[in-house]
Amino acid sequence: AQTVTQSQPEMSVQEAETVTLSCTYDTSENNYYLFWYKQPPSRQMILVIRQEAYKQQNATENRFSVNFQKAAKSFSLKISDSQLGDTAMYFCAFIENYQLIWGAGTKLIIKP
Amino acid sequence: DAGVTQSPTHLIKTRGQQVTLRCSPKSGHDTVSWYQQALGQGPQFIFQYYEEEERQRGNFPDRFSGHQFPNYSSELNVNALLLGDSALYLCASSFPLSGGPQETQYFGPGTRLLVL
Repeated sequence: AQTVTQSQPEMSVQEAETVTLSCTYDTSENNYYLFWYKQPPSRQMILVIRQEAYKQQNATENRFSVNFQKAAKSFSLKISDSQLGDTAMYFCAFIENYQLIWGAGTKLIIKP
Repeated sequence: DAGVTQSPTHLIKTRGQQVTLRCSPKSGHDTVSWYQQALGQGPQFIFQYYEEEERQRGNFPDRFSGHQFPNYSSELNVNALLLGDSALYLCASSFPLSGGPQETQYFGPGTRLLVL
């Protein structure tokens, strides 16, 4: 069965620090897409970053970057220069057969 | 460029009742997916609609049904509501990428359903 594991239920860091959220997944597919979404208290699920499994280069979006290790089925998210607005639940997911398979999420708190 | 919209934002129903939730996809998107997110958990896939047909379905009972209209908007219907149906219902829209089924899904603000 396809699964996504986020081993850190909650993390907190000081503003401006760098934080890394971990994610491992399991799929038998060779070509797939991986995602990180954030869900602030407002509930809206917001796309943070996307990685295509056939690309070796790690995706980056401004302060957000990933470390994608395909053989290890690992997909961690690094947030640099963290800001108060980064406080949210962060979900790792991959897509297979049209559906997103989700982890349980990591609650990230940025402290002033 | 309008994003994904959902209505209503909140809804309170009693057990046994029926509910209809609505979703309009992001402009240019033709595919709509529905997810159920229980409190403190990740979302669970309910189903996806494309070309007015249910293309894929998750592990949800037949009480959950849907529809997609010619303008790509969609409805989620839940019959015979149970207490356990209380959740945030998320709608996501997407467009098929060339060469494969993978697609980036963009989400609406959700509908919070409370069943009493």
